[in-house]
Amino acid sequence: DQQVKQNSPSLSVQEGRISILNCDYTNSMFDYFLWYKKYPAEGPTFLISISSIKDKNEDGRFTVFLNKSAKHLSLHIVPSQPGDSAVYFCAASYNDMRFGAGTRLTVKP
Amino acid sequence: DVKVTQSSRYLVKRTGEKVFLECVQDMDHENMFWYRQDPGLGLRLIYFSYDVKMKEKGDIPEGYSVSREKKERFSLILESASTNQTSMYLCASRPIGKEHTEAFFGQGTRLTVV
Repeated sequence: DQQVKQNSPSLSVQEGRISILNCDYTNSMFDYFLWYKKYPAEGPTFLISISSIKDKNEDGRFTVFLNKSAKHLSLHIVPSQPGDSAVYFCAASYNDMRFGAGTRLTVKP
Repeated sequence: DVKVTQSSRYLVKRTGEKVFLECVQDMDHENMFWYRQDPGLGLRLIYFSYDVKMKEKGDIPEGYSVSREKKERFSLILESASTNQTSMYLCASRPIGKEHTEAFFGQGTRLTVV
């Protein structure tokens, strides 16, 4: 049973607009959450993370929000750029690290 | 810069062969991971090692084993390769400490079993 879920396989947005990627988790033991970006034929690269003691973390155009009571996190990208087009994976960690199925983001010029 | 190196980018093996996938990291990280990535399924954890000679099963360990004799090296072994093990395999490492940190990934090994 997947402990980390990304229910939207794909998302398409216009350049300059906001991209919102969502992630849900089931295991309340998770205490650290991460977003990774992945291009084909490459390993995932780390984007941004958040500890369970916080509800928001911001890094430039990227902001991650955590709602512990709902077991939900989201990644906001503002403004979106064509170079952001990639597959985004949500991950959750306690001892090990579990990933969601990914969301393919396409940013159209 | 942290470097996680997987021994092969592409590999083609025959059904029934024993296959070794090697992963080496150069930053003295305690934790190492093996995942496989399949379309629609994301990254699924095969095995996790929290230190030398220590290992834990992930979500899909069947048909795989691992070896961690040295801190820098984590090997994934397919005991008898089957076509349903055709996949992209990804290795990662991370340090442990007071604060959580991200894991660093290798470039991946695309394995095809024929």
